[in-house]
Amino acid sequence: NAGVTQTPKFQVLKTGQSMTLQCAQDMNHEYMSWYRQDPGMGLRLIHYSVGAGITDQGEVPNGYNVSRSTTEDFPLRLLSAAPSQTSVYFCASSYSKRGLNGYTFGSGTRLTVV
Amino acid sequence: QQQVKQSPQSLIVQKGGISIINCAYENTAFDYFPWYQQFPGKGPALLIAIRPDVSEKKEGRFTISFNKSAKQFSLHIMDSQPGDSATYFCAGWARLTFGEGTQLTVNP
Repeated sequence: NAGVTQTPKFQVLKTGQSMTLQCAQDMNHEYMSWYRQDPGMGLRLIHYSVGAGITDQGEVPNGYNVSRSTTEDFPLRLLSAAPSQTSVYFCASSYSKRGLNGYTFGSGTRLTVV
Repeated sequence: QQQVKQSPQSLIVQKGGISIINCAYENTAFDYFPWYQQFPGKGPALLIAIRPDVSEKKEGRFTISFNKSAKQFSLHIMDSQPGDSATYFCAGWARLTFGEGTQLTVNP
């Protein structure tokens, strides 16, 4: 099934550990983005990419790195996990940055930092 | 800084009733306003969207009303059903900015 695949679905990290959240899409979408979802705060944009080799910061980029070496993949790296990064992370993709036909979201990664 | 403010945070309606969720935005550069629906354990999915040159858009039981001068827009769900129980996010596009979300529960 075409769509956005995120792995892992659940992860528990210790403070200071690093990890990479994986995101892959098979729809040939140019635009990909990462959001975090926290209660009462909606979805906040972390980083986004308008194509392979091009990334930019969103609203809450601190503590996260991204790269886009291929159209299909857009991994999110946590450099040194902190309890404040406990959240549900969503990857989304679209044909364009504007997303007039809607963004396609993955099913999320629930991350707990202890 | 939340550029799209959404209310209420939670809403409970009876089956067959009307659900109304309101949003207000600050950024006058927003020129596209989508609503996303999210079921538990799933990512959000586009429900309906409107451009600011239109005052109302209807798709089935879902209607967006838009008031450009007041910088407000709302989602109306007519004849609400238990299957509509989900979290709803309004958003504004300059760089897709979401509201805080409304958890809707429709009691049978």
